[in-house]
This record gives sequence, C-alpha cells and structure tokens, in this order.
Amino acid sequence: EAGVAQSPRYKIIEKRQSVAFWCNPISGHATLYWYQQILGQGPKLLIQFQNNGVVDDSQLPKDRFSAERLKGVDSTLKIQPAKLEDSAVYLCASSLVRVEQYFGPGTRLTVT
Amino acid sequence: GNSVTQMEGPVTLSEEAFLTINCTYTATGYPSLFWYVQYPGEGLQLLLKATKADDKGSNKGFEATYRKETTSFHLEKGSVQVSDSAVYFCALSARTGTASKLTFGTGTRLQVTL
Repeated sequence: EAGVAQSPRYKIIEKRQSVAFWCNPISGHATLYWYQQILGQGPKLLIQFQNNGVVDDSQLPKDRFSAERLKGVDSTLKIQPAKLEDSAVYLCASSLVRVEQYFGPGTRLTVT
Repeated sequence: GNSVTQMEGPVTLSEEAFLTINCTYTATGYPSLFWYVQYPGEGLQLLLKATKADDKGSNKGFEATYRKETTSFHLEKGSVQVSDSAVYFCALSARTGTASKLTFGTGTRLQVTL
C-alpha cells in the first residue's frame, strides 16, 4: 500500500513570495490533515478535511494560508505572502475516519 | 485546552541501556494516547497507541501504559539500539464533534551510542 505522498520535499523562497504544497493521501482515506512543524516543536494542526469539506481550520492563519481538497482526494496548501516565521516542515497526514493518522515525509520550507 | 508535556531532550544512552521518556497530558474527556517516532529526514511514524485507561501499547520492544490516575503515558524500552536514535513525540487525540485532532508534545531526541 502506497503511503502519503508530498511534494516538493524542499522549497526555498524569499519573504513576500507565494508557495504551494501538494499532498496525495492513502487511497480510501477520507480524512486529510495539514500540520506545521517548526524546528524544535511538535506538529501543530493547521486544517482538517473530511472528504472535501473543512472540519477544523481554527489554527490556520487565514490572512495568508489557504487550503483546498478538490474531489476529496489530493490537497494543496498555499501561503501568500510568506513570512520568515513560516519557515517550517509542512506535514500532510491521512486517516480513515477517527483512526490513527499516517504521515507523509513533509515539505521543508525555508523563507529568507 | 488539551496539552502534552514530555521530558526535555536530548537523551543520550549507550546501546543496551534502559530507556524511559516521560509524558504527561491534560485533556477533557477520554483521549487516545500515541507515541510517534521521527527518524532523520523522514515523516512521523506511529510507534504505539492506547485508547483507554490501563491499556498497554507495545511495538518493536517499546511499551507505554495509559495511566489515567497520573495522566501519564511514559515510553519505555528495556534495551535500546543505535537504530532507535530518533525524535519521539507523545500525542493525544480528542474528538470534538466530527473532528479528531492530534495534540503533540515538543518531542524528545534520543541518541544511542555504541
């Protein structure tokens, strides 16, 4: 069974630029999560989708972050414009409803 | 709100030493508890879990017991190997409506030497 796929693995951008990350969850997993992991900290949930609907986006900085999950499968997370403090690893995870989450390898973003 | 506190790292041990990484939590209701491991350059992998009080999760020689009375879920292994070097995250999952959100601790880096 293929795991959660993410791309790109690494991205370096300048502040005020925009960036997008892509995630393909495990086939059949209805729930998809995006986490932000700042160096030295645990992952923090940004947004949770159930199929293509948003379940929880309470910690998503909506002035600059957006996410969508078209057709209930792949998802993209966008940052526009980026700030220095957005430098982090962005993790995507998926799960069957209310079961353990499986994580992708993450995208390491550096904002200079 | 929900929170997880785990012991500061890094933890440095010699191979075959006994490992304990402490984890305590604060949560309303009855959360599920997890330990995730993150090897260098990789994503998080579920190591073990426990879904109710007194449950013991175990995997690859690691164990943790869900202690409701002390709100703890300490990770233990009797004999660590160099290949266990990684960052270990304690987490809890609490349901809010249809959402099932993981709250993580800050992670504990384990370094095992020969």
